Amino acid sequence: GENVEQHPSTLSVQEGDSAVIKCTYSDSASNYFPWYKQELGKRPQLIIDIRSNVGEKKDQRIAVTLNKTAKHFSLHITETQPEDSAVYFCAASGEGGSEKLVFGKGTKLTVNP
Amino acid sequence: EAGVVQSPRYKIIEKKQPVAFWCNPISGHNTLYWYLQNLGQGPELLIRYENEEAVDDSQLPKDRFSAERLKGVDSTLKIQPAELGDSAVYLCASSLEQGRGYTFGSGTRLTVV
Repeated sequence: GENVEQHPSTLSVQEGDSAVIKCTYSDSASNYFPWYKQELGKRPQLIIDIRSNVGEKKDQRIAVTLNKTAKHFSLHITETQPEDSAVYFCAASGEGGSEKLVFGKGTKLTVNP
Repeated sequence: EAGVVQSPRYKIIEKKQPVAFWCNPISGHNTLYWYLQNLGQGPELLIRYENEEAVDDSQLPKDRFSAERLKGVDSTLKIQPAELGDSAVYLCASSLEQGRGYTFGSGTRLTVV
């Protein structure tokens, strides 16, 4: 089955800097890759997703890149703000996103003012 | 639109007691999932429903866990008897059948003492 590895497990940056979180996956059939943000004690919330037919997607300060050949994808946050502090999870699944999502172990991002 | 609703929000029980969690998905979402999230880890799938049919329950510990989704809407997850190691957050999520990301509920935080 699918296995998703996520790095780093913790990341601390200064406000205004960029943050990058990387994930690798094992199943070459996976073609949907969402990213979730989870604040302490709250539900995971979808912040951005990408499908295998594109290599990059941007939404304001957040971007995701996908390299299907290497089976890795990354989350990029620019101009970080203290409210970006949370745990971020990457995930991978089959077509459409309605199949099983396999999650990484998460990255705790701390943005220092 | 109401999100995915779960109850109870918190539950504390003694080991060997039964416990049940309830989930009401977003209206019109055919696919429903129960995930288990241990502290500091990513969510792990327990069971996935397509309408009222359990299409993936391979990770559900069937000796003590059971689930049902009568009429393809609400779902209940039960543990009987609970063990200390079952302490975790139980997340419910739902999605449209095709091409939409998951929406998670707030989860039920279970503590077994």
